[in-house]
Amino acid sequence: SQQGEEDPQALSIQEGENATMNCSYKTSINNLQWYRQNSGRGLVHLILIRSNEREKHSGRLRVTLDTSKKSSSLLITASRAADTASYFCATDAWGTYKYIFGTGTRLKVLA
Amino acid sequence: GAGVSQSPSNKVTEKGKDVELRCDPISGHTALYWYRQRLGQGLEFLIYFQGNSAPDKSGLPSDRFSAERTGESVSTLTIQRTQQEDSAVYLCASTVRDGGTIYFGEGSWLTVV
Repeated sequence: SQQGEEDPQALSIQEGENATMNCSYKTSINNLQWYRQNSGRGLVHLILIRSNEREKHSGRLRVTLDTSKKSSSLLITASRAADTASYFCATDAWGTYKYIFGTGTRLKVLA
Repeated sequence: GAGVSQSPSNKVTEKGKDVELRCDPISGHTALYWYRQRLGQGLEFLIYFQGNSAPDKSGLPSDRFSAERTGESVSTLTIQRTQQEDSAVYLCASTVRDGGTIYFGEGSWLTVV
């Protein structure tokens, strides 16, 4: 069974707009990671946030983590057509380090 | 190597045949994962190796699936008596330590006809 669920399943926005994706998970975690996947092949790591962190930034990406709600969000600001991809969150249940991925959000940025 | 390497990149096999998929993790990475991804779906956890510890096989879907890893090196995922529902991309990933960033290979695309 999936540990994480992303919301929405699909998102379509205009270039320049911000995109927000959410991830919910079921159990206490050590870490949460966000990944991007283009064309159904290898995944690219975006950001890792630890359970004792609340927010991290990387370029146009901002990730928040709310362990009380067991949820995380990924914000992409000033989106570009090249951001079109599927985005996944992955969590490792506390004490296991076995990463389980969510179902993903398919983002389409229209030029 | 510079990244996680998987082979073959693409494999077409007849139903009922056995297939072997290979993964070369990044040198020095102690943890190795296998995932399965069907078309348009999320990643399904299959198996997790960590150093010399017993692997976590809880995601293997049936006894037709098995995986081996020798030490901290190459891993092989074997699917016996393949079925059409086994058609998917099989992704391998490795990490330098527990809880670290996971690095993915490009995957092996398996088509069972």
